[in-house]
Amino acid sequence: QKEVEQNSGPLSVPEGAIASLNCTYSDRGSQSFFWYRQYSGKSPELIMSIYSNGDKEDGRFTAQLNKASQYVSLLIRDSQPSDSATYLCAAGGSQGNLIFGKGTKLSVKP
Amino acid sequence: DAGVTQSPTHLIKTRGQQVTLRCSPKSGHDTVSWYQQALGQGPQFIFQYYEEEERQRGNFPDRFSGHQFPNYSSELNVNALLLGDSALYLCASSLGLATNEQFFGPGTRLTVL
Repeated sequence: QKEVEQNSGPLSVPEGAIASLNCTYSDRGSQSFFWYRQYSGKSPELIMSIYSNGDKEDGRFTAQLNKASQYVSLLIRDSQPSDSATYLCAAGGSQGNLIFGKGTKLSVKP
Repeated sequence: DAGVTQSPTHLIKTRGQQVTLRCSPKSGHDTVSWYQQALGQGPQFIFQYYEEEERQRGNFPDRFSGHQFPNYSSELNVNALLLGDSALYLCASSLGLATNEQFFGPGTRLTVL
């Protein structure tokens, strides 16, 4: 059973702090990894894609991938109340599907 | 740039009925995947369509079926609805089979009474 595991939270951080979200995956064959943001009652929105070991930065977001440890993380710098949402980690399956974790609920307090 | 669209937004059915959900992919995309998201869970993969064929299927019963049309739009059909089919149904589009990068539509909220 190919799985993606995330801490369900909630993770609470003060405004302006760094939020750190983590995920592990079981399928060593996965080559692509994604972070989606999902506001309550809405659909997932793709915010980061990462394919190689190391860091990838996009604005306030940094995704980190360590394939040896089967670990993916997302850092959100200068967190804002508008970042409050559920963050879904997904691993790309071998034939084009995505395997999702259950999501981590982030709350940014003003 | 037109994003992924889905219809209807909400749907209420009773047990045993059949439902059809529709999806149009993002402009330029040719691959459509369907997911089911129960409350508090991550999306679960149902199946993927490319070149009007089902290319891959997740762990869902045959009650779930689909179709892709020549214009790349897609339908998801669910027969003999069960209470447990109540969920948010998400359509995601992508370009070809070589990438997993998928963009989601707004979803259809299905309630089975």
